[in-house]
Amino acid sequence: DAKTTQPPSMDCAEGRAANLPCNHSTISGNEYVYWYRQIHSQGPQYIIHGLKNNETNEMASLIITEDRKSSTLILPHATLRDTAVYYCIVRVLYPLYSGAGSYQLTFGKGTKLSVIP
Amino acid sequence: GAVVSQHPSRVICKSGTSVKIECRSLDFQATTMFWYRQFPKKSLMLMATSNEGSKATYEQGVEKDKFLINHASLTLSTLTVTSAHPEDSSFYICSATIGRAGGQPQHFGDGTRLSIL
Repeated sequence: DAKTTQPPSMDCAEGRAANLPCNHSTISGNEYVYWYRQIHSQGPQYIIHGLKNNETNEMASLIITEDRKSSTLILPHATLRDTAVYYCIVRVLYPLYSGAGSYQLTFGKGTKLSVIP
Repeated sequence: GAVVSQHPSRVICKSGTSVKIECRSLDFQATTMFWYRQFPKKSLMLMATSNEGSKATYEQGVEKDKFLINHASLTLSTLTVTSAHPEDSSFYICSATIGRAGGQPQHFGDGTRLSIL
């Protein structure tokens, strides 16, 4: 799977948009970009994923550059509850029935986002 | 949305005890489940991948005889830490995917904090 690079930490004022960058310059054509976050002492929470088009859901927006070498997760109005470690992960799209290990995620160090009152 | 329940949330036991952790998908059938381990201030490390009805695939360095995984149904996988020792103390997290279609996100449980005295 392609390696990702994220800043180790970021601060964001409460109510402002949080823009979390991720570089994945070695991404291949069949890899998705996934974002998860982990609030302290909890399991990771899925946020959003995309292949090449920008995506939006009730939690966030995902902007993927045209060359797919980087992406940005946008939390439009950050709250204190958004304080967490955010992980950007790219994953190879294996064919169906390829067996165990096809869908595993490799977690890097992520970005620790601190939302400040 | 897809919910994964993990039980127990916390275990404290004596060295030499075997501990079983359950991971259930509550509202979907999980063909594949994953088990992760996370040490303090570190990222998640994949331990093994479990496909329903077949043997688990373990990551390099993870002892399959120590960490027994059973995935007997499409909604339940268990991880048993046999003869646990203090160095096995960690945060254990499971995740599950819906079906076999590529691109499906993993949904995580809330983790089990295991403390071996």
